[in-house]
Amino acid sequence: KAGVTQTPRYLIKTRGQQVTLSCSPISGHRSVSWYQQTPGQGLQFLFEYFSETQRNKGNFPGRFSGRQFSNSRSEMNVSTLELGDSALYLCASSIEGDYGYTFGSGTRLTVV
Amino acid sequence: LAKTTQPISMDSYEGQEVNITCSHNNIATNDYITWYQQFPSQGPRFIIQGYKTKVTNEVASLFIPADRKSSTLSLPRVSLSDTAVYYCLVAGAGSYQLTFGKGTKLSVIP
Repeated sequence: KAGVTQTPRYLIKTRGQQVTLSCSPISGHRSVSWYQQTPGQGLQFLFEYFSETQRNKGNFPGRFSGRQFSNSRSEMNVSTLELGDSALYLCASSIEGDYGYTFGSGTRLTVV
Repeated sequence: LAKTTQPISMDSYEGQEVNITCSHNNIATNDYITWYQQFPSQGPRFIIQGYKTKVTNEVASLFIPADRKSSTLSLPRVSLSDTAVYYCLVAGAGSYQLTFGKGTKLSVIP
């Protein structure tokens, strides 16, 4: 079966711009989570969505936002990009109540 | 959220069994223990999950003592392709998030 699909795979943006990343979960998975990975901070939780509702949010500024659509696809948006936002952004999906999350390959965002 | 502690790095020769131990002293009653593997520039991959005693699947075994304050991931006969970072996580129902530590960087030597 198809895995978690994240697009685009790579992205280069300029400081101050905004960016939208997309995630298509595994069919039947209704929970979608987002994570940021950097060499310094490691993997950090951004937020989790289930049935279009955000159930949990990590400790990130309001510039980071997300949403989930009725087909469980999710997007995350980062506004007013800063150099420190350069990271690998990972999306993970799971069946409700199942802790075996499946991650996508990520979107590598570079802010210049 | 329970905090986990695991070795920063480990080296092993090909063909050996590797055991990575994770400490989670503050684990809650409804928490499960999960291990993930991550290769560079890829997302983490679920390896195994357990609650107590022993769990085995086609790639690894997970040993959890009765007090559940630690767990050991066992990889039988590792190969070069097992070189990766391994994360131990503890999560319970209702948390809806995974809290990753620094992980253990396993290097398999020919």
